[in-house]
Amino acid sequence: QVQLVESGGGVVQPGRSLRVSCAASGFTFSTYAMHWVRQTPGKGLEWVAIISHDGSHKYYADFVKGRFTISRDNPKTTLYMEMNSLTPADTAVYYCARGGQQLVRSPFEAWGQGTLVAVSS
Amino acid sequence: DIQMTQSPSSLSASVGDRVTFTCRASQSIGSYLHWYQQKPGKAPKLLIYAASSLQSGVPSRFSGSGSGTDFTLTISSLQPEDFATYYCQQSYDIGHTFGQGTTVETK
Repeated sequence: QVQLVESGGGVVQPGRSLRVSCAASGFTFSTYAMHWVRQTPGKGLEWVAIISHDGSHKYYADFVKGRFTISRDNPKTTLYMEMNSLTPADTAVYYCARGGQQLVRSPFEAWGQGTLVAVSS
Repeated sequence: DIQMTQSPSSLSASVGDRVTFTCRASQSIGSYLHWYQQKPGKAPKLLIYAASSLQSGVPSRFSGSGSGTDFTLTISSLQPEDFATYYCQQSYDIGHTFGQGTTVETK
């Protein structure tokens, strides 16, 4: 069955960096676009970034553009998010989600369990 | 950017009730509208995709309708496990925007 498992969250000081990962299994990872979505405490869902199936196209929400970098390793079936210049506003549960075989049009059929990133001094 | 607006933000209902809530897009998104259910401490779960298609394994009491800018999600007979927050999402453009959610609470 499709499984997405995030890791790498934790407590980090403002201005520092963190990398979160998402290990995928149960499907042909290299054929799907992948997303990061975050949920701030007590609030709703925010789309963060997308990467195409082959890693050639990447798009970001304005609030992370220039600070976060999405990447993937298809042989390792793993998705990453490198987060730099973190601020308290970035405190959230970060979910990876499977998109479709195109960048748009498809729903998020599978989600990981989430990893909590807390930015605090 | 496409904005998604859900209403109401919360509603109180009882088991067996028929409940309907709405999602409005700031511009036409065709049928690229999806609904998710989220329970506390859990990841969202896809219920309805492409406005009206039921995701595999989702009970038939859930249904969706609409196109363009106005969409609805209906639960025909609310069950105890349906008390949760429901989000709509557009995938018409790269922003994949979510609505702010509608929370279904016990009356």
